[in-house]
Formats: sequence, C-alpha cells, structure tokens
Amino acid sequence: GNSVTQMEGPVTLSEEAFLTINCTYTATGYPSLFWYVQYPGEGLQLLLKATKADDKGSNKGFEATYRKETTSFHLEKGSVQVSDSAVYFCALTLPFGNEKLTFGTGTRLTIIP
Amino acid sequence: NAGVTQTPKFRVLKTGQSMTLLCAQDMNHEYMYWYRQDPGMGLRLIHYSVGEGTTAKGEVPDGYNVSRLKKQNFLLGLESAAPSQTSVYFCASSKDSSNQPQHFGDGTRLSIL
Repeated sequence: GNSVTQMEGPVTLSEEAFLTINCTYTATGYPSLFWYVQYPGEGLQLLLKATKADDKGSNKGFEATYRKETTSFHLEKGSVQVSDSAVYFCALTLPFGNEKLTFGTGTRLTIIP
Repeated sequence: NAGVTQTPKFRVLKTGQSMTLLCAQDMNHEYMYWYRQDPGMGLRLIHYSVGEGTTAKGEVPDGYNVSRLKKQNFLLGLESAAPSQTSVYFCASSKDSSNQPQHFGDGTRLSIL
C-alpha cells in the first residue's frame, strides 16, 4: 500500500538556522506530493506541492523537490523564523481514481529566538 | 471568506451517547473528507465524499457514519460513542480531483468519558 515516512520529531532549532525535514514515500504509480503545515490550534494548510518527478514546490521560503529515484520529498528552508514553529506533514495522493491523501505522522518544529 | 467551518469546536460525551459533527464549506467544492488526528499517528481518513449524495469509507470508518445531503455540508455521526473515539476531528474539502489542495477546518476536539 501507499505510505509516507517522516523524520521523527520534535525538532528544535535556533532562529536563522537551516532546516531539513526528511520525507520518503512508498506508492504504486506516480503520486503527487504535498507538505502541509499546522499552526497551534488550527487546521492544516497547504504549504507546497509537486505533481511530477523533478518538480520543485516552493512557498514562504520553504522548498521541496520531488525525487523519484530516491522516493523522497524533503522540506528545506534556509533561515527559519520563530513564526515557522508548527507541525509539518508530508502527504501523497494518487490521481485517477484514488481520492485519498496519505499523511506522514507529522514533525513538530520549534524555533527558539 | 469562511472556507471550511466545523461545529462544534469542543465537546465532551459520555460513553454510549450519540452526536453529529457538522462541516460546511462555501467554496463549491465537490470533494469532502473527515479525518481524525491522534498523537503520533498523523491524520487518518474516516470517510469521504466525491459529490452530493455520495459517501465512501476511508481508512478507519468503524463506529462512524456520514451523510452528504447537500453539496456544502458533510456530517459525521457517532451512534454510540466509545473512549477510543476521543480525538481531534478535521473536515476538509477540495475542488475536484485528489491533486487539488485540501482546505481544512480548524478541528473539533472530542472527548469521550
């Protein structure tokens, strides 16, 4: 079946540090890949997505590249801010009939000033 | 611009009681979803709907029922609540295909005593 494996958290970084949150996936077919972010007390929001191999999704300084050869979609940011503190979820979906998002378990990120 | 609205936000039930969670979206989306979020397990799909009058089972449907009588509303019912159903419930909607981003409500925190 389809699955998403995320880096175990929690992750604590100092402001302006470089961030990487690892995500690898297993899927039959060619999935679309997503990163969602959940701020405290809120629902999930789409952060970025990529729909085919070698696509790079980017938003708010975050980037992730769809790597088919390593089945990975790692999230990166060059300089994190306190406001980036949240839980980050990697997810996948398969098009053409499979309507479900499969989520990783989430990675809690805390940025300290 | 309400987006996805969930009611209620919090609820405490006794074992065996029933209740209905309401999800409403004002974006004219075809697809709607109910998830539960538990610590260390990410989000798991309970039921979903690909259009008015349709519903389908997700990953963890047991103990829940759903209805989509109107396009904008998706109801999640617990007929006889159990402590194992203590969780945070999220509703989401997407425009049509699974490649489209899902828009989430702010969640309903449900405790079963």
